[in-house]
Amino acid sequence: GEDVEQSLFLSVREGDSSVINCTYTDSSSTYLYWYKQEPGAGLQLLTYIFSNMDMKQDQRLTVLLNKKDKHLSLRIADTQTGDSAIYFCAEFQTDSSYKLIFGSGTRLLVRP
Amino acid sequence: NAGVTQTPKFRVLKTGQSMTLLCAQDMNHEYMYWYRQDPGMGLRLIHYSVGEGTTAKGEVPDGYNVSRLKKQNFLLGLESAAPSQTSVYFCASSSGTEAFFGQGTRLTVV
Repeated sequence: GEDVEQSLFLSVREGDSSVINCTYTDSSSTYLYWYKQEPGAGLQLLTYIFSNMDMKQDQRLTVLLNKKDKHLSLRIADTQTGDSAIYFCAEFQTDSSYKLIFGSGTRLLVRP
Repeated sequence: NAGVTQTPKFRVLKTGQSMTLLCAQDMNHEYMYWYRQDPGMGLRLIHYSVGEGTTAKGEVPDGYNVSRLKKQNFLLGLESAAPSQTSVYFCASSSGTEAFFGQGTRLTVV
């Protein structure tokens, strides 16, 4: 299957941590990505992780990968109102297709 | 976003008209992708290319055609536009590691 699944909505208070989850199905995926989309804008690459890694940290962002369960998460520390956006996870499938498949996105709302 | 340019940014078409959307990248990437994004939905893959001269179907290819005659350009064509093709279209290019997007084309078919 090609499905990448995400929960639709997450609401947190400013200053708290946010955790956005994603599951994927293709065991041959090599790279997994997190993108941010603000209203009316394009997709901004936040970070990505190679499939032989368990964790990657980049300033306030931490990506965790559980390859056995095909589960990917993005943790945003000290969430700010400017983090309010839609977050997409994506997988680069390297079976034979080289497709780049996206989840349906998680809308993050940060309350003051 | 760095290196991926889409033209035009906005377009209104009448039903039955044709048009071509252009995606250009200057990063020498092998892989290029066309997606559509509808309100409240994620990105659905229309067509993609794994190199110059190659194209392949994605999840929603019907009503669209593509060409990749030059490595840096990926064209998306609508031969006979329908209202159901009203959407925001995004192009992406990738080296196989990082993948970058254009700013999108907002297409309305009336």
